[in-house]
Amino acid sequence: DAGITQSPRHKVTETGTPVTLRCHQTENHRYMYWYRQDPGHGLRLIHYSYGVKDTDKGEVSDGYSVSRSKTEDFLLTLESATSSQTSVYFCAISERKGGGGSQPQHFGDGTRLSIL
Amino acid sequence: QKEVEQNSGPLSVPEGAIASLNCTYSDRGSQSFFWYRQYSGKSPELIMSIYSNGDKEDGRFTAQLNKASQYVSLLIRDSQPSDSATYLCAGYNQGGKLIFGQGTELSVKP
Repeated sequence: DAGITQSPRHKVTETGTPVTLRCHQTENHRYMYWYRQDPGHGLRLIHYSYGVKDTDKGEVSDGYSVSRSKTEDFLLTLESATSSQTSVYFCAISERKGGGGSQPQHFGDGTRLSIL
Repeated sequence: QKEVEQNSGPLSVPEGAIASLNCTYSDRGSQSFFWYRQYSGKSPELIMSIYSNGDKEDGRFTAQLNKASQYVSLLIRDSQPSDSATYLCAGYNQGGKLIFGQGTELSVKP
């Protein structure tokens, strides 16, 4: 199994509070990703990183920010959580991004986040 | 049109049968495709990668890619109840983003 640890695994919080989710990898992979998974929408990319301090937006980035100060850590922050951000969040890693012969992404165990 | 499309299912097959899961994609420039298995409440797990036209076999699993028809499939031979899960098809588009289908729920009945 790819060495990916997400924390916390479960969190319940209130609307308007800040929330930070952490993804830690031991594979030294360059690329890291944050997805959310919701019924009827499948997996949707929030943000991704292609190196330390290098990040870019995905398709559902509004309301989220990310930071990557070390190769092994990628943080996802909800500055002011809303009920629409209740979801399961997955971190993924890959050695290389898209293109011919691209490497697959490997997923962490996920964080189940409930915002009341 | 979604970039990667799958039938949501559920697909129900008897134990021992062949399960056939299908996926189509719209970006003709896509080159790399993956099948993930996701058990309820768990994370997606990579089970097959396929990069070129034709078949790729790994144990009971065979992935098939037809770039001319923009079609990817996964065959599971001798299906077992433990294969019951949601199967996600994914492919990198020309922009370098990995696009996932909605997933097909497979149920294998004893």
